Amino acid sequence: GNSVTQMEGPVTLSEEAFLTINCTYTATGYPSLFWYVQYPGEGLQLLLKATKADDKGSNKGFEATYRKETTSFHLEKGSVQVSDSAVYFCALSDLSNQGGKLIFGQGTELSVKP
Amino acid sequence: ETGVTQTPRHLVMGMTNKKSLKCEQHLGHNAMYWYKQSAKKPLELMFVYSLEERVENNSVPSRFSPECPNSSHLFLHLHTLQPEDSALYLCASSQERSQYNEQFFGPGTRLTVL
Repeated sequence: GNSVTQMEGPVTLSEEAFLTINCTYTATGYPSLFWYVQYPGEGLQLLLKATKADDKGSNKGFEATYRKETTSFHLEKGSVQVSDSAVYFCALSDLSNQGGKLIFGQGTELSVKP
Repeated sequence: ETGVTQTPRHLVMGMTNKKSLKCEQHLGHNAMYWYKQSAKKPLELMFVYSLEERVENNSVPSRFSPECPNSSHLFLHLHTLQPEDSALYLCASSQERSQYNEQFFGPGTRLTVL
């Protein structure tokens, strides 16, 4: 079945460091890929998305490129801030799999220190 | 504020109680979802409603009973729960049930079953 695997956290970085959170997926068909972020005490918010191979999603300085050849959608940011501390979820949605169902990775906790 | 509200935000109940979780979306969406978020586990999709019709039930125990009276409201009725049902319950909505549409999440209800 379809699945998403993320690097385990927690990831601890200093402010202004470079961030990479790895995400790989297994899917039949042609899924859309998403990154969601969950701040403490809140629900999930969409951070960025890509709907086809080689698309690059970007938002708030975060980027991820849909790589079909490596089945990956790694999240990157050039310079993190303390306010980026949160849990990040990679997800895929495949219409062929019961209609727009989102399958999430286990989440990666990011902690940014001043 | 994502346009999806959930009440209550916190709920403590005994195993013999009956309670309901409420979700309301103000986005004009046609699809609504219930997820369960437990510690150290990926988000689990519980139910999907599209145009007020249940289209997916992911092998959820019958002690959880969803209701979607209209496209803006979604309920999760709870009865005779177990302590392992303690989790964050997240509601989400999307424009339609499509792989291209992102889901918008509410803040969740933190449920504790004693």
